[in-house]
Amino acid sequence: NAGVMQNPRHLVRRRGQEARLRCSPMKGHSHVYWYRQLPEEGLKFMVYLQKENIIDESGMPKERFSAEFPKEGPSILRIQQVVRGDSAAYFCASSGGAPGLFFGSGTQLSVL
Amino acid sequence: GEDVEQSLFLSVREGDSSVINCTYTDSSSTYLYWYKQEPGAGLQLLTYIFSNMDMKQDQRLTVLLNKKDKHLSLRIADTQTGDSAIYFCADSGAGSYQLTFGKGTKLSVIP
Repeated sequence: NAGVMQNPRHLVRRRGQEARLRCSPMKGHSHVYWYRQLPEEGLKFMVYLQKENIIDESGMPKERFSAEFPKEGPSILRIQQVVRGDSAAYFCASSGGAPGLFFGSGTQLSVL
Repeated sequence: GEDVEQSLFLSVREGDSSVINCTYTDSSSTYLYWYKQEPGAGLQLLTYIFSNMDMKQDQRLTVLLNKKDKHLSLRIADTQTGDSAIYFCADSGAGSYQLTFGKGTKLSVIP
């Protein structure tokens, strides 16, 4: 499968724990984006990364959230000290220059 | 901020045409997109249109863009039960990656 791969599909955390979401872009794509989807809402942009660089993090909360895309390995979206309001579907997308973003199947984060 | 609006629900009979409408506010949009989301899945890029075009056809899909009114529509001909999904309209603004999405239109196809 050469598509955008995200894992895990489902993640359950208790309040105060850390959540780590992983994303491998499509083969040949070097741009990664994270979006968040709240129930019955459209997707909201969080952050745009290239290898070892954060290009635009204007949509990401200033506290507790961080993202990286290391030289080797997947992109990671990290949420520290999760709260119930962080419960959402987190989608990763990648692009390779052509119009449009290609999305993974998402990680559904549930905070108890 | 910029906004994208869609009606939330549409119900059609199998074999009929479906028309999903969208309005947007960002006059600098370069590309406008339609994505399809099936239950439990990610978003699948269906089609897109460049802002200097007014129509694009791709098999059963026809996209119409009225830039003056900032109105975008997706027509699905001969709608099938497999077309049942949520359809999202998105605009790219002046850039290409920070897409603004509508809340999605849930299309239900009645056999």
